[in-house]
Amino acid sequence: GQQLNQSPQSMFIQEGEDVSMNCTSSSIFNTWLWYKQEPGEGPVLLIALYKAGELTSNGRLTAQFGITRKDSFLNISASIPSDVGIYFCAGQRSYGNKLVFGAGTILRVKS
Amino acid sequence: DTAVSQTPKYLVTQMGNDKSIKCEQNLGHDTMYWYKQDSKKFLKIMFSYNNKELIINETVPNRFSPKSPDKAHLNLHINSLELGDSAVYFCASSRGNNEQFFGPGTRLTVL
Repeated sequence: GQQLNQSPQSMFIQEGEDVSMNCTSSSIFNTWLWYKQEPGEGPVLLIALYKAGELTSNGRLTAQFGITRKDSFLNISASIPSDVGIYFCAGQRSYGNKLVFGAGTILRVKS
Repeated sequence: DTAVSQTPKYLVTQMGNDKSIKCEQNLGHDTMYWYKQDSKKFLKIMFSYNNKELIINETVPNRFSPKSPDKAHLNLHINSLELGDSAVYFCASSRGNNEQFFGPGTRLTVL
């Protein structure tokens, strides 16, 4: 079945550091999404990517849709304590298909 | 507030019982989803409805029956609850197959 490999599984970083996480797949995806989930809440969409090679920013967050369409990364610059949470990548093969989620990256920030 | 809402937030029940979780969205979306998040935080789609019509039905026991009375509501009824049904269930909605917006989740505990 379709699977997304998300890494790292968890990160414990110092406030102010930059963070990078990525997702890879053996299959091509035509849409990549990045979500953040805080404790007791549902995932919240951060960035959506629709074209191979696309680089999109949302404040301190930057995400890219890999050229091969089999991977995507998310960077967070100058992390702050409220960045803590679980970050999920999600891919969609084509319009009408289900979203497939990565296993998540748990981010903890030391202030 | 415009949002995806779910009730109840928490549900604790005995094995063998039947329970329902309700979901409503006032975003004007035409597609709604149910996801299950297990103890390892893995998110997996269960069902998807578009304009009240079932379009995605993953390999879910038939004890789970979604019902969509209208485009703004998608309820989940679970018969004969089992211990393994304990999880957080998320409702989500989207316009067509675009970005999905998630509800706050219902934490189901089966004793």
